[in-house]
Amino acid sequence: GAGVSQSPRYKVAKRGQDVALRCDPISGHVSLFWYQQALGQGPEFLTYFQNEAQLDKSGLPSDRFFAERPEGSVSTLKIQRTQQEDSAVYLCASSPDGQSSYEQYFGPGTRLTVT
Amino acid sequence: KNQVEQSPQSLIILEGKNCTLQCNYTVSPFSNLRWYKQDTGRGPVSLTIMTFSENTKSNGRYTATLDADTKQSSLHITASQLSDSASYICVVIPFMNYGGSQGNLIFGKGTKLSVKP
Repeated sequence: GAGVSQSPRYKVAKRGQDVALRCDPISGHVSLFWYQQALGQGPEFLTYFQNEAQLDKSGLPSDRFFAERPEGSVSTLKIQRTQQEDSAVYLCASSPDGQSSYEQYFGPGTRLTVT
Repeated sequence: KNQVEQSPQSLIILEGKNCTLQCNYTVSPFSNLRWYKQDTGRGPVSLTIMTFSENTKSNGRYTATLDADTKQSSLHITASQLSDSASYICVVIPFMNYGGSQGNLIFGKGTKLSVKP
């Protein structure tokens, strides 16, 4: 079956531009997560949705970052006025349920480069 | 201070050899601990998931151990193959007060393993 997909796979933005990154989770998965992974580092949590509800956004680094999942399936991570330090791979993951015993299935990521 | 520390940072081994990767964590209480494999340019893939009450979990040539008293976990890879070359990431999931649901997962920086022929 189809896994988690993300688009675009690569994005180059000029400093100050707005970008929108899309995540299509596995169909029927309740939970959706966004992570930021800098080069050579492990992923860092950004935000978590259960269905359309954003239950935790404590990892969003600034108010330039905004995520939504309006219908409880596809999610979009928006970054306004991009800065060079935003350059990273943005990973999306989904999970069948909100219980901590369920594993997460990751997408391939979107590599954002801000020039 | 990172709540999940992994060692070594990188490791080179010969094909067919065994290796052990370490993970020390300070997250407490926690719900479960996971090991992921991440190939270059791809998303992490789950290898093992252990609850706080489990001591060991195997998945083929991968065996994870957990000592909740010392807050240490290890991932042992047996008879390594060239395809094992990847980053291995230890993840600790804090136990959240609201019904034990997932929230802020805490990742280590990973160990980069290179298997040479």
